[in-house]
Amino acid sequence: GDSVTQMEGPVTLSEEAFLTINCTYTATGYPSLFWYVQYPGEGLQLLLKATKADDKGSNKGFEATYRKETTSFHLEKGSVQVSDSAVYFCALGQGETSGSRLTFGEGTQLTVNP
Amino acid sequence: DVKVTQSSRYLVKRTGEKVFLECVQDMDHENMFWYRQDPGLGLRLIYFSYDVKMKEKGDIPEGYSVSREKKERFSLILESASTNQTSMYLCASRHYGTPIEQYFGPGTRLTVT
Repeated sequence: GDSVTQMEGPVTLSEEAFLTINCTYTATGYPSLFWYVQYPGEGLQLLLKATKADDKGSNKGFEATYRKETTSFHLEKGSVQVSDSAVYFCALGQGETSGSRLTFGEGTQLTVNP
Repeated sequence: DVKVTQSSRYLVKRTGEKVFLECVQDMDHENMFWYRQDPGLGLRLIYFSYDVKMKEKGDIPEGYSVSREKKERFSLILESASTNQTSMYLCASRHYGTPIEQYFGPGTRLTVT
């Protein structure tokens, strides 16, 4: 079945540091890929998405590129802020014939210190 | 904006109690989902519903049931709560045929003592 693997956390960075959170996947067909973010005490919010190979999703300074050849969707940000402290989830979704289910990675806790 | 609400943010129940978690969405979405979130395990799908009165088991349905009598409401039921069901429960919804992303509620943190 489908699966998503994220880099182990927690990750602790200083403000303005460069962020990479690795995500690789195993899936049949051509899934869509997502990054969700969960701020403390809240539900998940969609951060960015990519629906086909070589697509780049971006939002709030975060970027991720759908790499089919390496089955990866790594999240990057050039300069993190304290407000980026949250848990980040990589996920993949198949089409309607699979019930549009999302398969999530285990999440990566990011803490950014001033 | 899509709004998904859950009936409680925090809930404490005793072992053996019947527990109802309610989820309501206001965007006429056909699909609704219940997940549980545990540290190191990410989100795991419990049940989902394609539409009213329709339900499908997810990856971990044991010990849970669901009800979808109205399009906007999806209930998760713990028939006899156990301590291993202490977790964060997240509800989500989406409109059939749109991009696959789901919209999440704020979650209910359930503690079973």
